[in-house]
Amino acid sequence: DAGVIQSPRHEVTEMGQEVTLRCKPISGHDYLFWYRQTMMRGLELLIYFNNNVPIDDSGMPEDRFSAKMPNASFSTLKIQPSEPRDSAVYFCASSLTTSGGTGELFFGEGSRLTVL
Amino acid sequence: KQEVTQIPAALSVPEGENLVLNCSFTDSAIYNLQWFRQDPGKGLTSLLLIQSSQREQTSGRLNASLDKSSGRSTLYIAASQPGDSATYLCAPGSSNTGKLIFGQGTTLQVKP
Repeated sequence: DAGVIQSPRHEVTEMGQEVTLRCKPISGHDYLFWYRQTMMRGLELLIYFNNNVPIDDSGMPEDRFSAKMPNASFSTLKIQPSEPRDSAVYFCASSLTTSGGTGELFFGEGSRLTVL
Repeated sequence: KQEVTQIPAALSVPEGENLVLNCSFTDSAIYNLQWFRQDPGKGLTSLLLIQSSQREQTSGRLNASLDKSSGRSTLYIAASQPGDSATYLCAPGSSNTGKLIFGQGTTLQVKP
């Protein structure tokens, strides 16, 4: 398996523009997580899905952020309009349900977003 | 709300030393705990996963222990090597919500 695939790897945009980050989880995994990483705040959980259904979006900073998972092999995280404080590395991760809950978490390489 | 603390924040040791990284968490209602490694500019790689019913898990020179009742986990690295230099993060998985919340990590430097 190719692992979790994220695109784009790098994105530089201007304040006010719409940004869309994409993620393809590992085939067969039923959990998908979106995290944001900054030096100041570390890794923050933004939202996660189980079987394509959003379970908890309490980490989404504000209404400018939205996430969708239209099918088991694709998810998007959208920021509209973007602001400089959104600059961070955004990670997508997926895992498979085990008898005890979500199993080992596999991360993508991340999308580094810079908003000027 | 789960809070995860990792101590120390940074560690620099000479090659060959054995070392211990600490992770503490406030909510003991977890089903597992994972340790990850992150190299600069890269994603996270899973190192070890300990189920809540387990006390420890080993992989090569790495050994992770879990004391769920006291909210603590340790990662032991034996005979450290320069290639071990990275940031190590722990993440307990909530048995109530399924969330994995991360600590800030310990940045390790192993000097040749």
